[in-house]
Amino acid sequence: AQSVAQPEDQVNVAEGNPLTVKCTYSVSGNPYLFWYVQYPNRGLQFLLKYITGDNLVKGSYGFEAEFNKSQTSFHLKKPSALVSDSALYFCAVRDENTDKLIFGTGTRLQVFP
Amino acid sequence: DAGITQSPRHKVTETGTPVTLRCHQTENHRYMYWYRQDPGHGLRLIHYSYGVKDTDKGEVSDGYSVSRSKTEDFLLTLESATSSQTSVYFCAITASGNEQFFGPGTRLTVL
Repeated sequence: AQSVAQPEDQVNVAEGNPLTVKCTYSVSGNPYLFWYVQYPNRGLQFLLKYITGDNLVKGSYGFEAEFNKSQTSFHLKKPSALVSDSALYFCAVRDENTDKLIFGTGTRLQVFP
Repeated sequence: DAGITQSPRHKVTETGTPVTLRCHQTENHRYMYWYRQDPGHGLRLIHYSYGVKDTDKGEVSDGYSVSRSKTEDFLLTLESATSSQTSVYFCAITASGNEQFFGPGTRLTVL
């Protein structure tokens, strides 16, 4: 069965430092992977996706994610964190049998000034 | 927001009453979804639709029903609300690039 795991409930980082939010996945075929961000009292916003091609995917707000097939990971990164990046981040994988998205439990990113 | 609206945005109801949540989209997307979001669970799929009058169950469908009589509207009904259905409900559509876009959410409290 397809699944996705976000091993950290919360990540704390100082403003200006690089940030990483981790995601690992399990799929039986080629993975379709996604990152979403949720600000307080808002819906989820699409950040970026990996379907095929370059392992480094660039997305909105300066975020990028690195697809690593051997480690079955799709970590979200940003070179220099902003306080405004503080939010809840979700990783998701598409179930290739049903085309539905399977979400991780979310990681809360807290960026301190 | 891909033209997705949800109504109501907030609702408080009592156990045993029926509740209907509405999702409306303006861009003629074929696929529509209802999720619930709870702490520690992320988003869980309740039901989805792949066309008018074509719907199917997700992983947490018990106690919920849906209807889609028009492309633009996808309704979620709690036949008899229970306290365990207190949650934030999100509607979503699938865009052409496989990513999903979400509505603003409905916060439902069942007392």
